[in-house]
Amino acid sequence: KQEVTQIPAALSVPEGENLVLNCSFTDSAIYNLQWFRQDPGKGLTSLLLIQSSQREQTSGRLNASLDKSSGRSTLYIAASQPGDSATYLCAVKGGEGAGGTSYGKLTFGQGTILTVHP
Amino acid sequence: DAGVTQSPTHLIKTRGQHVTLRCSPISGHKSVSWYQQVLGQGPQFIFQYYEKEERGRGNFPDRFSARQFPNYSSELNVNALLLGDSALYLCASSLRISGMGNSPLHFGNGTRLTVT
Repeated sequence: KQEVTQIPAALSVPEGENLVLNCSFTDSAIYNLQWFRQDPGKGLTSLLLIQSSQREQTSGRLNASLDKSSGRSTLYIAASQPGDSATYLCAVKGGEGAGGTSYGKLTFGQGTILTVHP
Repeated sequence: DAGVTQSPTHLIKTRGQHVTLRCSPISGHKSVSWYQQVLGQGPQFIFQYYEKEERGRGNFPDRFSARQFPNYSSELNVNALLLGDSALYLCASSLRISGMGNSPLHFGNGTRLTVT
């Protein structure tokens, strides 16, 4: 069974800091990994998607890396701003138990709650 | 273009009742997935539909069912509601089978279901 863990569970930083969010998964046989942002009471906004053959993806101040063999991904946020405050979730497609009747399933971590204070 | 739309936004039901949640995907998207997110947890996969056929099912009881219509919109039905069904129900659409290739999931804002 694929399991996804995110560390830390919560993070509070002053504005302007660079920060790293971590995601690990137990089965490295994934198709891709996706990072999402969730504002309180809202749905998920896709930030970055990394295919299993890729090592990193970048969008603006965000950079996500993937080390499939070690089952790890990091989301790097540069020059953090108060508007970055949200819950960040990583999700993997594939891995043990993701075939058969679970085809199409994304397995999510529990998220990292980020607070950036002015 | 409109994103994924879900209705209703909030719903309060009593134990034992039945509920129907609705989702309209992004125009052109043929795949719809449903997820349940309990407070403080990551979303849990319930169903995926592609081209009106069920293509994936998570570990949820038979009280949960879904369908996809010819216009690719979808309904999630939950029978005999329990207190533990209280959660944010998220619908997501993608161009192809969710997460394959350059086909990321796009989520709606969800339906907040409270069971009393």
